[in-house]
Amino acid sequence: ILNVEQSPQSLHVQEGDSTNFTCSFPSSNFYALHWYRWETAKSPEALFVMTLNGDEKKKGRISATLNTKEGYSYLYIKGSQPEDSATYLCAFIRAGTASKLTFGTGTRLQVTL
Amino acid sequence: SQTIHQWPATLVQPVGSPLSLECTVEGTSNPNLYWYRQAAGRGLQLLFYSVGIGQISSEVPQNLSASRPQDRQFILSSKKLLLSDSGFYLCAWNGRANEQFFGPGTRLTVL
Repeated sequence: ILNVEQSPQSLHVQEGDSTNFTCSFPSSNFYALHWYRWETAKSPEALFVMTLNGDEKKKGRISATLNTKEGYSYLYIKGSQPEDSATYLCAFIRAGTASKLTFGTGTRLQVTL
Repeated sequence: SQTIHQWPATLVQPVGSPLSLECTVEGTSNPNLYWYRQAAGRGLQLLFYSVGIGQISSEVPQNLSASRPQDRQFILSSKKLLLSDSGFYLCAWNGRANEQFFGPGTRLTVL
C-alpha cells in the first residue's frame, strides 16, 4: 500500500492571500507526480505532471515544485481568488506500475471575499 | 478532440440490486482506462484499470467487477450492491504524459 498524504486537509483563506499545500509520497521507485484540481460538480482536471527532481511548473498564479529524493511536492497559489476554491489532489505513480495513480485525500481550499 | 462519457449521472439503488455503469471514450484508440471511486470523506481510490480489450486488473478486493468489451468501452458492474458501494464513480483514460482525463462521474447511492 502506497502512502500519499496531503496537508492540510482543508484551508480557508481570504481573497488575495497566497497559500501552499504539501503532498508527500514514497521517495523510492519514483516515476511521476501529478496535481489535479477538482471543483465541485465537475471532474478533476490535471494541473501539472512532474517527473524530474527539482521540477518547477507554473500555470498563471499556480505553481508546483518537486523533491523526489525526500518525497514531497508543494503547490503554491499566489493571490488566491474565489474561483480557486476547489479540492487539490496529488497523485503518485510508481515506476513499473503501468500508469496506475495513487491519489492523496486532497486539500480542500475555500477562498472568500 | 477526445471526449469521455459516463452514464447515468446519478443512480439510487436498493441493497442487493445489480449495477451497471458505462464509460465510453471518443477520439482516441487503445487508451488505458480506469475506474475510480470516491467514498464519503475519502480520497479517490483506483478500483480497476484496463490496458486493452478483455484485460482487467483489479486493485482492491470488493463487490464490483469490470469489463472491457470494446476498445473504447469500460463497464463497471455488480451482481448485488452493498451499502458500502455508495460513492462517486469516475472513469478516466490516460494521456501521453499519463495524466488522467476524467469523465463527468456517476453518483451512486445504495439504500
